[in-house]
Amino acid sequence: DQQVKQNSPSLSVQEGRISILNCDYTNSMFDYFLWYKKYPAEGPTFLISISSIKDKNEDGRFTVFLNKSAKHLSLHIVPSQPGDSAVYFCAASVYTSGSRLTFGEGTQLTVNP
Amino acid sequence: KAGVTQTPRYLIKTRGQQVTLSCSPISGHRSVSWYQQTPGQGLQFLFEYFSETQRNKGNFPGRFSGRQFSNSRSEMNVSTLELGDSALYLCASSLYGLYNEQFFGPGTRLTVL
Repeated sequence: DQQVKQNSPSLSVQEGRISILNCDYTNSMFDYFLWYKKYPAEGPTFLISISSIKDKNEDGRFTVFLNKSAKHLSLHIVPSQPGDSAVYFCAASVYTSGSRLTFGEGTQLTVNP
Repeated sequence: KAGVTQTPRYLIKTRGQQVTLSCSPISGHRSVSWYQQTPGQGLQFLFEYFSETQRNKGNFPGRFSGRQFSNSRSEMNVSTLELGDSALYLCASSLYGLYNEQFFGPGTRLTVL
């Protein structure tokens, strides 16, 4: 049972435009959500997170939106840069679960110059 | 400060053998989690150790086990290897674990022949 799903395996965007990566979840117990990006041959690196008490969190070019009723979150990157090309994973956790993260399958973002 | 290190980076084993992977967390971090990444399943949580105790466990068979030492270094052991165990094994460390930002190592690429 895939509790966190990223339905788009890939996304291609022009440099300077907005990238929108989507993530859906089924477990209503999830109360903390994170985005990681991963370059080839490296481990994932933390990008941005959001708690379920908020519906938006912003950090520079990255904004995460959370729609709890739809069990949906999205990551917006504005403006997109070629260096943003990577695999992006969304992850969810339940506060009492320690470090247990449930990851989506990932979306490969390609930003074309 | 030094990041999360994993050894070895690459490993080739044959079916039926066992393997031990090692993870050294960031200094001061007490939580170490292990994840398996495969092309078909994405990133899946194996287990988490906090202060030498297994605090959380994913849905993997008993062939997968781990431990954590007093210096927070952790090892993961897989016995009776199967072809399907071929994957990238990632460990992540965090300060407290509770839906905390996790820092990932580069991973150990295990190939089972």
